[in-house]
Amino acid sequence: QQQVKQSPQSLIVQKGGISIINCAYENTAFDYFPWYQQFPGKGPALLIAIRPDVSEKKEGRFTISFNKSAKQFSLHIMDSQPGDSATYFCAASIGANAGKSTFGDGTTLTVKP
Amino acid sequence: NAGVMQNPRHLVRRRGQEARLRCSPMKGHSHVYWYRQLPEEGLKFMVYLQKENIIDESGMPKERFSAEFPKEGPSILRIQQVVRGDSAAYFCASSPPFSGSHGYTFGSGTRLTVV
Repeated sequence: QQQVKQSPQSLIVQKGGISIINCAYENTAFDYFPWYQQFPGKGPALLIAIRPDVSEKKEGRFTISFNKSAKQFSLHIMDSQPGDSATYFCAASIGANAGKSTFGDGTTLTVKP
Repeated sequence: NAGVMQNPRHLVRRRGQEARLRCSPMKGHSHVYWYRQLPEEGLKFMVYLQKENIIDESGMPKERFSAEFPKEGPSILRIQQVVRGDSAAYFCASSPPFSGSHGYTFGSGTRLTVV
């Protein structure tokens, strides 16, 4: 079964701290790993994504670390801000058909001022 | 330059009624995907459509659910004889024709409540 397991379920971080969310997958055929940010009442928005041929990708304060042998990937949010408070989902897909993605169950991040 | 448009935003139906959810993809996008999000859970893939074609419906329940994307007009997700367990947020996403890229965009969703 194609599963993506995400942890923690919720996370509280002080402003300026580092937020770390982890995901693990089972299907080695997955080759595209995006992270989505979702605010209440809104749809998910693509934040950053990585392919398994690289071990790290950074965009601003957001970094994905990817460990192919362990089948794990994580999102790091540096200098976390209250505006980062949202639900974050990791996902995985096979090939170019990114529309059919398997999602983790989400992490609710709260950044305290 | 609108994004993916879904309507209605909120829909209340009594048990046994039909629910129709509409999705207009972004301009230039010909692929549409429907996902369901139950409370406190991630998004679950339901169906992938192109104009007049269902490409992958492996996530659709076998009964009461159907989807279409006609040549003209929005994509429709139809739920017949709704039950309380159908209460969820239903999200639509769209993407351009295959070009090796993975860009797709979600709408704001339709929140279905079955009473």
